[in-house]
Amino acid sequence: NAGVTQTPKFRILKIGQSMTLQCTQDMNHNYMYWYRQDPGMGLKLIYYSVGAGITDKGEVPNGYNVSRSTTEDFPLRLELAAPSQTSVYFCASSYSGHTNEKLFFGSGTQLSVL
Amino acid sequence: EDQVTQSPEALRLQEGESSSLNCSYTVSGLRGLFWYRQDPGKGPEFLFTLYSAGEEKEKERLKATLTKKESFLHITAPKPEDSATYLCAVQARGTGNQFYFGTGTSLTVIP
Repeated sequence: NAGVTQTPKFRILKIGQSMTLQCTQDMNHNYMYWYRQDPGMGLKLIYYSVGAGITDKGEVPNGYNVSRSTTEDFPLRLELAAPSQTSVYFCASSYSGHTNEKLFFGSGTQLSVL
Repeated sequence: EDQVTQSPEALRLQEGESSSLNCSYTVSGLRGLFWYRQDPGKGPEFLFTLYSAGEEKEKERLKATLTKKESFLHITAPKPEDSATYLCAVQARGTGNQFYFGTGTSLTVIP
């Protein structure tokens, strides 16, 4: 079972460049999330989606954009990359947003902005 | 403001030496408290969900407990393969689908 798949695993960007982090899940989950994880900090929610065509901001959405055209895919777009966006990014999914629904995480994308 | 604090930041144990990890939280109405395990270079993996004070869950050498202010992850007779970072997260009422994560406890079990 593939679960949640993220690409790429590693990327180095120059300041001002743009890129898209890809995330796809094959579990038919409605809810998908993007988190960033910085050293010494807890996972912070960037954006989430409750279904195709519906997205909403999390705690730290500035500098990012998302779209959800299908149930399976939830790409994260970085426009005009800044050093503050250097982080490890995790995509996650769950069947619903209820409290008994655990999150399934991808293996992460390590991004450096230089 | 909703907060999740985990302690200690790091813990080194000898194989077989039992101990506990702490997760204290301040939220305005707890919907659920979650424990995850994270191995280096990987995403977090779900362990437990606790909903109300007094609840306990067990899995192999791990046991999670919950009070009104904190949760403990007890590790009994740990093995080297239990080495990982353990993350705590809470979901609060009125926050939609947001989970608030602690910074984790890095556990190393020495053979």
